[in-house]
Amino acid sequence: AQTVTQSQPEMSVQEAETVTLSCTYDTSESDYYLFWYKQPPSRQMILVIRQEAYKQQNATENRFSVNFQKAAKSFSLKISDSQLGDAAMYFCAYRSAQESGNTPLVFGKGTRLSVIA
Amino acid sequence: NAGVTQTPKFRVLKTGQSMTLLCAQDMNHEYMYWYRQDPGMGLRLIHYSVGEGTTAKGEVPDGYNVSRLKKQNFLLGLESAAPSQTSVYFCASLEDSYSYEQYFGPGTRLTVT
Repeated sequence: AQTVTQSQPEMSVQEAETVTLSCTYDTSESDYYLFWYKQPPSRQMILVIRQEAYKQQNATENRFSVNFQKAAKSFSLKISDSQLGDAAMYFCAYRSAQESGNTPLVFGKGTRLSVIA
Repeated sequence: NAGVTQTPKFRVLKTGQSMTLLCAQDMNHEYMYWYRQDPGMGLRLIHYSVGEGTTAKGEVPDGYNVSRLKKQNFLLGLESAAPSQTSVYFCASLEDSYSYEQYFGPGTRLTVT
């Protein structure tokens, strides 16, 4: 079974600075997707960024980027120019890409990010 | 287009009572999921469905039952609620196995006393 580990329960960052959230995962599969979800106090789950395992290029979405290291099974999220609105719980998640349709997400336990003004 | 909706948003139950949580999606998605979120545990899969009339167990299925009689609805039932089922419940949907993004509902906070 796949597992996702987020080793930082809490992180903090100064406004306008950069922060990196860590995620490692364990799988025997070669084809899969990785995701970062943001959960603000409203509780809504918001997809921040995704990475396909077959792509070597790291995904980027505006101020959010990832460092995907497939061999090391590492998938960190970098938030640049942090804003107060980035304060939230962040979840790393894994999903198989096999054609069998094993589509449920496997989540890490989350990292709570605080942004200091 | 409402996306994924969940009913109710909040509920308090006494131990032993039963209830059904309703998830509805208007995107014609094939796959639907029920997750629970507990402090420090992330989201864990309870049950899921790969199409109308199908259901499958997830990581933490005990104490729950589900049904998908209509494609747009996925029901989660608690037959005899226990305090251990106090949690926030999220429903999600996925268009098909080739799609990336699961769309989440707003969550239901359930307290069992």
